[in-house]
Amino acid sequence: SAVISQKPSRDICQRGTSLTIQCQVDSQVTMMFWYRQQPGQSLTLIATANQGSEATYESGFVIDKFPISRPNLTFSTLTVSNMSPEDSSIYLCSFRPGQGSTGELFFGEGSRLTVL
Amino acid sequence: QKEVEQDPGPLSVPEGAIVSLNCTYSNSAFQYFMWYRQYSRKGPELLMYTYSSGNKEDGRFTAQVDKSSKYISLFIRDSQPSDSATYLCAMIPGADSNYQLIWGAGTKLIIKP
Repeated sequence: SAVISQKPSRDICQRGTSLTIQCQVDSQVTMMFWYRQQPGQSLTLIATANQGSEATYESGFVIDKFPISRPNLTFSTLTVSNMSPEDSSIYLCSFRPGQGSTGELFFGEGSRLTVL
Repeated sequence: QKEVEQDPGPLSVPEGAIVSLNCTYSNSAFQYFMWYRQYSRKGPELLMYTYSSGNKEDGRFTAQVDKSSKYISLFIRDSQPSDSATYLCAMIPGADSNYQLIWGAGTKLIIKP
């Protein structure tokens, strides 16, 4: 199965700064997804990133706060901008392997972000 | 009301016990139902996948869907300490790959040796 790696695995950041999370897949994938996971809450989809087009953001998430890049079919980045303590969370990248894989997502190990 | 309800636990049981994890949902259009397992400091991984109503078994794991009650379950037989993890249910209305999963909050399971 495809391998997906994500970094940093964790970081502690100061309020007002920005952090970029990187996600690398070892095979080409069309759609990549960025999720946020807060303690005791459901996984929340931030945006869908397709190569060659702008990311599609879910309600409550905006590009200025969470800019996403998708320069090729194996890589994506999510930036959390102008961070506040409310942004402390685990951020996960994922992808759907392809046709006939309805519902199956592969996830990175997550980036645990703490904002002071 | 959330579309998918799942008790966050933690659920603590002794090794060898049968575990029952459950989710309820409100959208009758859901057709595909999944259980993901997430170990601490790891991303979720797909554990079981079922379509429509009925049971599906894979080793010690059985997934059950009751669409009339809008209720899904995951049973773990002969539970092991290595089963300790958070279990998330997820569901979608159809086979279109553009559908996004609707997730439960996850149940933290602890198997005591």
